[in-house]
Amino acid sequence: DAGVTQSPTHLIKTRGQQVTLRCSPISGHKSVSWYQQVLGQGPQFIFQYYEKEERGRGNFPDRFSARQFPNYSSELNVNALLLGDSALYLCASSGDWSSYEQYFGPGTRLTVT
Amino acid sequence: AQSVTQLDSQVPVFEEAPVELRCNYSSSVSVYLFWYVQYPNQGLQLLLKYLSGSTLVKGINGFEAEFNKSQTSFHLRKPSVHISDTAEYFCAAPNSGGYQKVTFGTGTKLQVIP
Repeated sequence: DAGVTQSPTHLIKTRGQQVTLRCSPISGHKSVSWYQQVLGQGPQFIFQYYEKEERGRGNFPDRFSARQFPNYSSELNVNALLLGDSALYLCASSGDWSSYEQYFGPGTRLTVT
Repeated sequence: AQSVTQLDSQVPVFEEAPVELRCNYSSSVSVYLFWYVQYPNQGLQLLLKYLSGSTLVKGINGFEAEFNKSQTSFHLRKPSVHISDTAEYFCAAPNSGGYQKVTFGTGTKLQVIP
């Protein structure tokens, strides 16, 4: 079975630009969460989506937004990129909204110059 | 809200030696705890989890962890490490609140020396 997939693998953007990251959960999983992992730190929770609705949001500015599609895939959008947005963005999926057992994708490495 | 603290940022250990990676938690409610491993340039993989029941939890790749309520600890151990165990290890705990937020520690880099 395919695991969580993310695209693209790597991305380089310039300050002020906008970026869209994509995630496909494990087949049958309805919950998708997004995390930001800055170099040298643990992942930080950004969003959780379940059944196309936002279930939770971490302490991130409104420049960060996300959505979930009917097939449960998800997009994370970041507007007005800052240098500090450079990080590994991880997507995790789980079977239901309350399950703490999450399966992580390989991540998208975003570099902002 | 739960929080986790990993006391060691880096742990060097010789191959075939035992290792312990430390994690302390802070919570006043029911405790769930996890250990994840992250190999270079990869995502996170769940090593083991404590939800309830036996305080000794066995995971993949020969790792185990012991939940100690009196010491508020959840240390990860392996009796004999291999070169392939070189990775970063994260202790993590879910937050209550009706959604699936998981709080991660700052990570411990395990370096296995041949």
